[in-house]
Amino acid sequence: EAGVAQSPRYKIIEKRQSVAFWCNPISGHATLYWYQQILGQGPKLLIQFQNNGVVDDSQLPKDRFSAERLKGVDSTLKIQPAKLEDSAVYLCASSSARGEKLFFGSGTQLSVL
Amino acid sequence: DAKTTQPTSMDCAEGRAANLPCNHSTISGNEYVYWYRQIHSQGPQYIIHGLKNNETNEMASLIITEDRKSSTLILPHATLRDTAVYYCIVRSSNDYKLSFGAGTTVTVRA
Repeated sequence: EAGVAQSPRYKIIEKRQSVAFWCNPISGHATLYWYQQILGQGPKLLIQFQNNGVVDDSQLPKDRFSAERLKGVDSTLKIQPAKLEDSAVYLCASSSARGEKLFFGSGTQLSVL
Repeated sequence: DAKTTQPTSMDCAEGRAANLPCNHSTISGNEYVYWYRQIHSQGPQYIIHGLKNNETNEMASLIITEDRKSSTLILPHATLRDTAVYYCIVRSSNDYKLSFGAGTTVTVRA
């Protein structure tokens, strides 16, 4: 089966610019996650969707980050405006249901200069 | 949520078994132990999970102590492709959240 698709693979922007990441989960997976992974650290959960509803966004910096999952399939994560400390790999994951194992994409590596 | 403690790094020889320890002394009765690994430049990959019984699949074995305060992931015959960061995670029983720590960097040497 096809895995979790993410794009772009790499993105370089200047601080205060905006950026968007796209994720296409495994077909039929109801639950979708966005994680942020800073170099040398484990992934940190930013937001979790169940179908097209937000289950948990407690660690999402809502003043600059936003995410949506229209129609319960694809999802986008946006940062506006970006800060230097947003430089990280942004990982998307999906699971068939809450509590099931997660399948991760390869991530988008963001560099903010 | 229960926290886990893992060694920062470990080496193992190709072809030998790799035993990765994890302490989770504050785990509660209905929380599962999950293991994921992350190969360089890739997203994490699920390996195995368990509640109280030992588990085995095509990738690894998971041994959980009787008091559930620690566990060991066993890679039976390590290969160079097993070089990765291995994460031991206790999954929250309230919201199913997976919180990753820093993991153990495992280097398999020829």
